[in-house]
Amino acid sequence: QQPVQSPQAVILREGEDAVINCSSSKALYSVHWYRQKHGEAPVFLMILLKGGEQKGHEKISASFNEKKQQSSLYLTASQLSYSGTYFCGTVGNQFYFGTGTSLTVIP
Amino acid sequence: EAQVTQNPRYLITVTGKKLTVTCSQNMNHEYMSWYRQDPGLGLRQIYYSMNVEVTDKGDVPEGYKVSRKEKRNFPLILESPSPNQTSLYFCASSFLGQGTEAFFGQGTRLTVV
Repeated sequence: QQPVQSPQAVILREGEDAVINCSSSKALYSVHWYRQKHGEAPVFLMILLKGGEQKGHEKISASFNEKKQQSSLYLTASQLSYSGTYFCGTVGNQFYFGTGTSLTVIP
Repeated sequence: EAQVTQNPRYLITVTGKKLTVTCSQNMNHEYMSWYRQDPGLGLRQIYYSMNVEVTDKGDVPEGYKVSRKEKRNFPLILESPSPNQTSLYFCASSFLGQGTEAFFGQGTRLTVV
């Protein structure tokens, strides 16, 4: 039931782009994305709703394919502050977090 | 300030000694939940609650209990902790509905020896 994320880990140089994927076996009504710095609580990035509406407040974009039950997070021109573990959260009948993707941005 | 408060932040205890981790939110959220985080396994839901006196099991409820007597509080109880419950625990809350973000507590790092 837990959504599967890929890749599990990625290392980028500053300025490079990355895509993180989230795939669910259950029907989705919305997808959330969170970022967690080491030892800290996850912090909200954005929500994607069925029908295309997107709510967020950072310079990060995402897509949500309802038919395929997948979402992707796009980080462009990465900065050192983007480092952390990214989780998708899928909302069906219950809220599930994905397996996580560790992203490290190096100078 | 809107927040979810967990206590304690760190706890070391012995096998079998009952403990409670408290969680309180000040945003009038209906939905509250507990997660454990272990390396490589992401955040796994232990229990959740959609409102006062309404609780349900998540994916890994064995060995845990919860209660929701008041809207703001959602304590996690370990009646007889075991070493395999050593983990990082997070409480989260949100409004019900698809388009609402979850707010997390700062986490409780529990070690059971």
